[in-house]
Amino acid sequence: QSALTQPPSASGSPGQSVTISCTGTSSDVRYYNFVSWYQQHPGKAPILIIYDVNKRPSGVPDRFSGSKSGSTASLTVSGLQAEDEADYYCSSFVGRNNFNVFGGGTRLTVL
Amino acid sequence: EVQLVESGGGLVQPGGSLRLSCAASGFTVSTNYMSWVRQAPGKGLEWVSVIYSGNYIFYADSVKGRFTISRDSSKNTVYLQMNRLRADDTAVYYCTRGVGGGFDIWGQGTMVTVSS
Repeated sequence: QSALTQPPSASGSPGQSVTISCTGTSSDVRYYNFVSWYQQHPGKAPILIIYDVNKRPSGVPDRFSGSKSGSTASLTVSGLQAEDEADYYCSSFVGRNNFNVFGGGTRLTVL
Repeated sequence: EVQLVESGGGLVQPGGSLRLSCAASGFTVSTNYMSWVRQAPGKGLEWVSVIYSGNYIFYADSVKGRFTISRDSSKNTVYLQMNRLRADDTAVYYCTRGVGGGFDIWGQGTMVTVSS
């Protein structure tokens, strides 16, 4: 199972919006509505910020939103804040046997 | 409080073995699906293995035949037995709880270093 494709970097100024893409195939992102996104600060464990394409766990600000079109999922961070600077990973369910595949990660820089 | 606490990491020689433990609190591991995810130094996340509530178990191709996931319901703990370790198994290993097709609870991670 190949990794999902994410841009290695993204950036925006405080208050702006930024969108990170995550491209898969007809066997993962397109087929299943089980795309999730994770935020990881240096030296810390990842945190789930979006699951099932566009659902937010309790406690995650509504500045974070997710969507999907075809084989590409997207994470949008609105009203950028300094603490949003982190690595972001997407993942998709790929079936019971192989379970899950991750993207390579995107480093978000708040300028 | 819902949390996962891993232990058991360390330095091991190539070809050696380690057993990682993941103690859960605030929920029951036997009624959830639990996974191990790893992250090599400076690299991205890689799913390693999953154990479903029905005891169905699956592995990534990179660890199949070498790693074994299991759980002890009486201790509310999940394990990862790692045999025939290789240098490319060096990573932080995270224990996670599954939700949908993803992972909603993560432990703090335990470092495994395979080196002579």
